[in-house]
Amino acid sequence: DIVMTQTPLSLSVTPGQPASISCKSSQSLLHSDGKTFLYWYLQKPGQSPQLLIYEVSSRFSGVPDRFSGSGSGTDFTLKISRVEAEDVGVYYCMQGLSLRTFGGGTKVEIK
Amino acid sequence: EVQLVESGGGLVQPGESLRLSCAASGFTFRIYWMNWVRQAPGKGLEWVAIISPDGSAKYYVDSVKGRFTISRDNSKNSLYLQMNSLRAEDTATYYCARDDYWGRSPYWGQGSLVTVSS
Repeated sequence: DIVMTQTPLSLSVTPGQPASISCKSSQSLLHSDGKTFLYWYLQKPGQSPQLLIYEVSSRFSGVPDRFSGSGSGTDFTLKISRVEAEDVGVYYCMQGLSLRTFGGGTKVEIK
Repeated sequence: EVQLVESGGGLVQPGESLRLSCAASGFTFRIYWMNWVRQAPGKGLEWVAIISPDGSAKYYVDSVKGRFTISRDNSKNSLYLQMNSLRAEDTATYYCARDDYWGRSPYWGQGSLVTVSS
């Protein structure tokens, strides 16, 4: 089974400042077709999860361009260039190479 | 508009059974892979099960294999999760989620709370 490890567990960010979340997988998420099956979701307080990023770096429709994803193989990063109040919540990475596994989550709050 | 509405949650005792339903609308249900994902109170997300568009392929997380069964009725645009031999650790909000491509799940329901307690 693929294990997903996120760091840090929580982040407190001043509005307008950047934020970065790391996600590491226990094995490469690169498929033989060339795609890397790594996704990022945000669960805002009291809401269902919402898709932010798919296949490492592609923003889903309607996701602001202050969100970006990067990485390869087993190491991935989600960056928020300038955090806004509406970005608070828990961020999860998820692998889709072998069924699905979520990381433990990173809680982002505003200072 | 894509809508997924879960129902069937509630309070049950350990060892009992429960069936969750997810009513889908606003899209062609029969062509998409569908998932169940759960979240224990105050905890993170855990993927539970997935089913192919025609229902022929089903996969589960190890912790529910042999106890839970995912199914669908494409004529009723509905997804189900039959949960047997429930345990306290199955207590969670259960979400149904639709893939549009493998691994990519942009559409989620609002969740249905299952509480397993004596």
